[in-house]
Amino acid sequence: ETGVTQSPTHLIKTRGQQVTLRCSSQSGHNTVSWYQQALGQGPQFIFQYYREEENGRGNFPPRFSGLQFPNYSSELNVNALELDDSALYLCASSWTAHPGGYTFGSGTRLTVV
Amino acid sequence: AQTVTQSQPEMSVQEAETVTLSCTYDTSESNYYLFWYKQPPSRQMILVIRQEAYKQQNATENRFSVNFQKAAKSFSLKISDSQLGDTAMYFCAFQGDSGNTPLVFGKGTRLSVIA
Repeated sequence: ETGVTQSPTHLIKTRGQQVTLRCSSQSGHNTVSWYQQALGQGPQFIFQYYREEENGRGNFPPRFSGLQFPNYSSELNVNALELDDSALYLCASSWTAHPGGYTFGSGTRLTVV
Repeated sequence: AQTVTQSQPEMSVQEAETVTLSCTYDTSESNYYLFWYKQPPSRQMILVIRQEAYKQQNATENRFSVNFQKAAKSFSLKISDSQLGDTAMYFCAFQGDSGNTPLVFGKGTRLSVIA
């Protein structure tokens, strides 16, 4: 079975720009969660998608948005980038109500200059 | 809101020795799940061990075991016979008893295994 793949692995953007990060979920998983991991910190929950609908959101502003597609892959979009958005963005897929049954990708390192 | 605290930013251990990483958490829920994740330089979070709060028996996975003290809200990880490949960031994480609740992570402990 395939794992979780994220693209791109690294990205540099300018403040004010928009960015799209992509994630393909593990085969058989129907839920995708996104986390932001700032340098030296633990991951912080951004939002979660289940069957193409957002069903949970952390304390992030609306300029963080997402999509989930019929094949359960997902995108994270961030508008009006700020310097503090520089972080590692992790995607994790899981099978609905299976606590802790997450498979994480290797993340996208976003740098905003 | 749940919080997870890891009070040891960095630790080191000699190869083949035993090390214990500490974690405390705060919650008002009666049932929940606790996890230890390993994040090597490859950046991918890897599940090391998990504990269901309703189980009194401490979880064990090969060289990894936990000391779960529910009343004290403490969840430490013991690594026995440390290996160079254990060098990584270790994160303690909490999840409530619902498939929709996200993981809440601590700030992590950087473990270095020294030859």
